[in-house]
Amino acid sequence: KAGVTQTPRYLIKTRGQQVTLSCSPISGHRSVSWYQQTPGQGLQFLFEYFSETQRNKGNFPGRFSGRQFSNSRSEMNVSTLELGDSALYLCASSVVPEGTNEKLFFGSGTQLSVL
Amino acid sequence: AQKITQTQPGMFVQEKEAVTLDCTYDTSDPSYGLFWYKQPSSGEMIFLIYQGSYDQQNATEGRYSLNFQKARKSANLVISASQLGDSAMYFCAMRGNAGNNRKLIWGLGTSLAVNP
Repeated sequence: KAGVTQTPRYLIKTRGQQVTLSCSPISGHRSVSWYQQTPGQGLQFLFEYFSETQRNKGNFPGRFSGRQFSNSRSEMNVSTLELGDSALYLCASSVVPEGTNEKLFFGSGTQLSVL
Repeated sequence: AQKITQTQPGMFVQEKEAVTLDCTYDTSDPSYGLFWYKQPSSGEMIFLIYQGSYDQQNATEGRYSLNFQKARKSANLVISASQLGDSAMYFCAMRGNAGNNRKLIWGLGTSLAVNP
């Protein structure tokens, strides 16, 4: 069974540009969540999608958006990039977003560098 | 608000010895889950172990065990018989039961180096 796949693995952009990151969950997993990881702030929750609906959202500006498709694949978009958006963006999938014991399976992330 | 604290930025351990990584948490939810993940240099987060707030026994998964002390709000990870491949970042995380508390909250991590 293939794991969570994130593309691209590395991305270099300049300030003001926009970027789209892609995540394919494990087959059969219907929930996808996104996290931003930086050395100073650690991992911070961006948003969670289930059945094409956003179920939960973190404290990020509106420049950060996402969506989920009918095949559970998800994309996140960051518009008007800022230097502080440089981070590792991790996608995680789970079967269904229920209960406190929901285990997340992560991809290897997309390393975004904003110059 | 929920919070996870990992007070050890870095730890060293000799191969084949045991090591304890500390994690304390704060939450007002009566029902919650605690997780430990490992992140090697490749970047992927790997699930290690889970402890539910109502679980009577400490969780164990192979060489990993969780020392859960509910009254002290601590959930320390114990790795027995350390191996060189255990060198990685280790993150403690918590999830509440409802609403905004369902999102996973993470500690800043502990970098573990296993020496041969």
